[in-house]
Amino acid sequence: EAQVTQNPRYLITVTGKKLTVTCSQNMNHEYMSWYRQDPGLGLRQIYYSMNVEVTDKGDVPEGYKVSRKEKRNFPLILESPSPNQTSLYFCASSLWAGQFNYGYTFGSGTRLTVV
Amino acid sequence: ILNVEQSPQSLHVQEGDSTNFTCSFPSSNFYALHWYRWETAKSPEALFVMTLNGDEKKKGRISATLNTKEGYSYLYIKGSQPEDSATYLCAFKAGGSEKLVFGKGTKLTVNP
Repeated sequence: EAQVTQNPRYLITVTGKKLTVTCSQNMNHEYMSWYRQDPGLGLRQIYYSMNVEVTDKGDVPEGYKVSRKEKRNFPLILESPSPNQTSLYFCASSLWAGQFNYGYTFGSGTRLTVV
Repeated sequence: ILNVEQSPQSLHVQEGDSTNFTCSFPSSNFYALHWYRWETAKSPEALFVMTLNGDEKKKGRISATLNTKEGYSYLYIKGSQPEDSATYLCAFKAGGSEKLVFGKGTKLTVNP
C-alpha cells in the first residue's frame, strides 16, 4: 500500500530533551515536507526537501532540523524542544518533476506535547 | 508569506443541501491550486490539483472551479451527506516557488 509512515503518533516530552519524529514514504516521491498545525493558524510549512541531500526552510523553521540522506526518509529533529513547539505535525510527500502538479500524500500525524 | 484565504471558516448544512465555499489566492504568478479534505482524526487527502484558468474538476458529488485571473476557486458539494463532514483545505503554489501554502480551511458539518 502506498503510504507515508510517521512515528510516533503521540509524544509527550520535557523541555530541552532532543527528539526525532520519523517519516518514511514508499512511493519513490522526490518531494517531502513537514508541516505543523496549530488552532487558528492552519498548516504551516517547517522544512521541505526536493530530493536527497536537498533541503530548504519553509515558513516556520526555527527550532527544527531535518535531513534527507535517503529518498524515502525525512526525519524531523527538535534539538531542544520548547513548549511553543507543542503542536500536531504532519509529514507529506509528492511527486515533484520540477513542479507541483501532483497532490500531497500525508502521514497520519504526530501530536507532540512539550512540558 | 503568501496569503491564502478561505471562507467561510465554518458551515453547518442539512443533509441533502448543496453548498459551496471559497479559496482566495494571489492572482499574479499563479502556478497551481490544490484542494484537500481533512476528516477529524485522519490525515488530509488530496481532492483536486488545478493548474489552468477555467479548470473544472469533479469527483462524485464534489466539484471545483478555478479563476486564476481574479484569484479564487470554488468548491461545490451537491446533496451533502453526513460523511462529507470535514475540513476542506486549499493550497496555493506560485510560479517558481517550491512551497505549497495552505489556507486555514472551511469546516463543514452536515447534519442528518
